[in-house]
Amino acid sequence: GESVGLHLPTLSVQEGDNSIINCAYSNSASDYFIWYKQESGKGPQFIIDIRSNMDKRQGQRVTVLLNKTVKHLSLQIAATQPGDSAVYFCAEDLSSSNTGKLIFGQGTTLQVKP
Amino acid sequence: GAVVSQHPSWVICKSGTSVKIECRSLDFQATTMFWYRQFPKQSLMLMATSNEGSKATYEQGVEKDKFLINHASLTLSTLTVTSAHPEDSSFYICSARDSVGTDTQYFGPGTRLTVL
Repeated sequence: GESVGLHLPTLSVQEGDNSIINCAYSNSASDYFIWYKQESGKGPQFIIDIRSNMDKRQGQRVTVLLNKTVKHLSLQIAATQPGDSAVYFCAEDLSSSNTGKLIFGQGTTLQVKP
Repeated sequence: GAVVSQHPSWVICKSGTSVKIECRSLDFQATTMFWYRQFPKQSLMLMATSNEGSKATYEQGVEKDKFLINHASLTLSTLTVTSAHPEDSSFYICSARDSVGTDTQYFGPGTRLTVL
């Protein structure tokens, strides 16, 4: 079936370095993608989203890149801070009718070393 | 920003009892809310879509008679786990989408259910 997955389960970076978290998706018809951050024991927190008519979108310290040719999504975090330590999920809205049903990837744990 | 709350934040119950979890959108109206379940060290799994004023839509494999959903107003959806068993122990998370505006979904803080 269709799925959204992540390449690496854990990413460890030094404080101040840039982080790149990757995600592969398999449904070429998906047109809306979101990155969420989840801290332990809490609900997911929206970070940034992107639609399929774009290949790049920037937020505060974060950038999402979308490569539709290879069905790949990435989240770049600039100047990673200890507070960025969390699990990061990509999510894909599969519905062409915009029902909002999201399929989540398995998650990447980001560990920031001081 | 949009805020979604859940109550309770955690609950411990005996096997066979029913537990109700509330999800509220605090500063916006949501015609659609979603309920997810998350087991330890796993991803979120969509259980059902809660539609204000109509029946919920359940994902394949989710028992509608076990997980009762009521979306009686534009700011409140409830999930009742009926006759809970230890295997129902999980982290239940709701999300809500603003009725007006973007497609962004805002998630609640989650409810930790432990069934003894």
